[in-house]
Amino acid sequence: SQQGEEDPQALSIQEGENATMNCSYKTSINNLQWYRQNSGRGLVHLILIRSNEREKHSGRLRVTLDTSKKSSSLLITASRAADTASYFCATVPSGSARQLTFGSGTQLTVLP
Amino acid sequence: SQTIHQWPATLVQPVGSPLSLECTVEGTSNPNLYWYRQAAGRGLQLLFYSVGIGQISSEVPQNLSASRPQDRQFILSSKKLLLSDSGFYLCAWGGQDSYEQYFGPGTRLTVT
Repeated sequence: SQQGEEDPQALSIQEGENATMNCSYKTSINNLQWYRQNSGRGLVHLILIRSNEREKHSGRLRVTLDTSKKSSSLLITASRAADTASYFCATVPSGSARQLTFGSGTQLTVLP
Repeated sequence: SQTIHQWPATLVQPVGSPLSLECTVEGTSNPNLYWYRQAAGRGLQLLFYSVGIGQISSEVPQNLSASRPQDRQFILSSKKLLLSDSGFYLCAWGGQDSYEQYFGPGTRLTVT
């Protein structure tokens, strides 16, 4: 079953603007990850945040995690047309092996 | 560096025909291996995962099966395809001591 749910389902912004995507999940987790998928391609791992972390940065990406609200957000700053893709959150439930449970994704379109 | 291959890239098969999709990983040993299916515009559903040769766990009952005849080879099969088996199939690998997963380019399967 899909544990994570992304919000919004689709987001369209102008180049240079910031893009924020949110993810909610239902059970306690070991970690949460964000992946990117260009149309018709495989997924690319972007960033992992552990359950005891609240914020993490990687280049133009900023991820926050609020375990009390069971939610995470992904911020892409100064977006570029090349950032156009679908973005998925994926959780590893506490006590599980290394299986990921994916959300349904946010389709981001960055207009030049 | 590690690479993951999937083939074929696209496949059109009639209902009732058999299926064999192959995934191989290079540059790592004893990986965890995963098969996912993605319906159009949706997130990924985990089908099978394997922690070692001959060790297969199934996440959902279905018309498909998986095998791992070699350390870095993962095969997805069906004896008789159904229309509902259409989708985008992704193979992924992960380390035994890490949570990130790395995806292949995928196979687009259309059952007619």
